Amino acid sequence: DSGVTQTPKHLITATGQRVTLRCSPRSGDLSVYWYQQSLDQGLQFLIQYYNGEERAKGNILERFSAQQFPDLHSELNLSSLELGDSALYFCASSVDTAAGNTIYFGEGSWLTVV
Amino acid sequence: DQQVKQNSPSLSVQEGRISILNCDYTNSMFDYFLWYKKYPAEGPTFLISISSIKDKNEDGRFTVFLNKSAKHLSLHIVPSQPGDSAVYFCAAAGVGAGNNRKLIWGLGTSLAVNP
Repeated sequence: DSGVTQTPKHLITATGQRVTLRCSPRSGDLSVYWYQQSLDQGLQFLIQYYNGEERAKGNILERFSAQQFPDLHSELNLSSLELGDSALYFCASSVDTAAGNTIYFGEGSWLTVV
Repeated sequence: DQQVKQNSPSLSVQEGRISILNCDYTNSMFDYFLWYKKYPAEGPTFLISISSIKDKNEDGRFTVFLNKSAKHLSLHIVPSQPGDSAVYFCAAAGVGAGNNRKLIWGLGTSLAVNP
């Protein structure tokens, strides 16, 4: 158990819909990361938050947004869903933003868009 | 170049015995490893993970061992049950440029547990 909690674990939804994925970081971790992963591709970095503020942005579509709340949990909102958005979405956390910090991954939220 | 290798595409084990699934990696920058299980027509399900600061992590019947010097990890399932029959994927994550980390998947090992 990495200490990073993601819900839901699995989600099936229709094209055009909107979903919210939730992440609780490890206790004491201030930095939260969101990644998108499909089985045949490498991990795509989407966005990072540190102590409630956006810190870095990766390949995140405009249809996607995220935020980190005062209690440090984070949500990733995916809207106007397309078939190609089907993937495993990982949340990860680390103590701070230093690149050398170990980043702990959650179990992932598997999104299937039909 | 396969950075995460699961050299056995398939494995057959008798119910009640131990299943050992192996995974080798080549990149010494990998510091977090995950095992996923996948049934046909379903998405992968997280099974167990291990950070490079540990050499063993146990969760019920599942134990993952990490040998950093050999760049090898293994998943032990004891005792194996017919419901464990699935494809098992090993994945490794490592520090990339900035905060961009790569998660590299192995090709999977299909485990069949025979009653």
